[in-house]
This record gives sequence, structure tokens and C-alpha cells, in this order.
Amino acid sequence: QKEVEQNSGPLSVPEGAIASLNCTYSDRVSQSFFWYRQYSGKSPELIMSIYSNGDKEDGRFTAQLNKASQYVSLLIRDSQPSDSATYLCAVRTRTDDKIIFGKGTRLHILP
Amino acid sequence: EPEVTQTPSHQVTQMGQEVILRCVPISNHLYFYWYRQILGQKVEFLVSFYNNEISEKSEIFDDQFSVERPDGSNFTLKIRSTKLEDSAMYFCASTRDRNTEAFFGQGTRLTVV
Repeated sequence: QKEVEQNSGPLSVPEGAIASLNCTYSDRVSQSFFWYRQYSGKSPELIMSIYSNGDKEDGRFTAQLNKASQYVSLLIRDSQPSDSATYLCAVRTRTDDKIIFGKGTRLHILP
Repeated sequence: EPEVTQTPSHQVTQMGQEVILRCVPISNHLYFYWYRQILGQKVEFLVSFYNNEISEKSEIFDDQFSVERPDGSNFTLKIRSTKLEDSAMYFCASTRDRNTEAFFGQGTRLTVV
């Protein structure tokens, strides 16, 4: 069964520091990778997508993909209290017509 | 900015009743999805829909579930005979094409009593 694994947390990070969120996936033919943010009781909100190895930056967010290690991460620079949420890693494989989600990592930014 | 819209935001139903959850995907998107999230658990895939037919479904999506695109804009999920364990948030999502990111609606909270 194809899996997406994340540490459930909570991950506590001081305001202004860098938050680092990690994700591994089991299916080697995965080709599309996404990070979503979910506030309690709300729907997943897309933060970033990444499709090729390396880093992709968007504002305070950087996604990193290493397909050889089957690893994707999200860095949040200058963390703000409003970044406190659950971060969902999601993966789509080349063969499946679905996006699979990890259980999410709860991030708590300490003021 | 285009968005996925879902109605109702909250539905309470009695066990054994039928419910229909409605979604309007983003207008130029071609792939549509339903996901559910039981309280405190992960977002689970139910079904994907493309070109007016189901393209993939999960083990959760049994004979009690069906989807339909009755017109050019709406996409519905029907649960024929609800069970207590169907209580969850149901999210509709759409993508422009097969490999791009999915955008989610705000969800329908289904409570079966």
C-alpha cells in the first residue's frame, strides 16, 4: 500500500525561527508533491507544489524534494503565530488518479 | 480568485437516510475528487471523476456511495443509507489536469445521528 509518512508532532518553534517539516513516501513512481496547511475545522489550503528534485522557494516557504531518498520537506522561515496549523504532505503517483495525504504534522509557533 | 464551493456547510441526518453533498468545482478544471476526514484523522481519498466517469475509487467508496455530474457545473456525492461511521468532514477538490495541485472546497460537516 502506498504510504505518506509524517511525524505527527506537535512541533514547537519560537516565533521568528525556521520550522522544518519532513515527509517520506513509499511509492518510487510518485511524481507530484504538495504541501497543504490545515487549520482546525477548515479545509486543506495549498501552500506549495514541487515536481522535480531540488529546492523551490515561495516567499517564506521552501519545499525540498529528493526523489532518490523519497523525501520531501517544507521550511518556513521567520515563523509567525499564524503559521500554527497542521501541515499535510501529499503525493500523486504517475499511475494513480488520486492524491494521497499523510496524517499531518501539527506545528505550534511560540510567541 | 476561482474557488471550489460546497453546500451545505453542515448536514445533520438520521441513520439510514440518504444525503447528497454538493460541490461546484473550479470552472476550467477537468478532474474532480471527494475526500473525507473523520475528526482527528487523516484526509482520506474516496473517489476521482474525469470525463463523466469514475477514474479511481478507494475501498471506502462502496455501493452506498455514488457520484454524479448532473450538469456542467455541479458534482455531487450521494450516500444512500448513512451510518454513524459516515460522520466526517467531506471535501470536494478539483484539478486543472491530472498532475497539478488540487484545490479544496470548504467542506461539508456530515453528522449522522
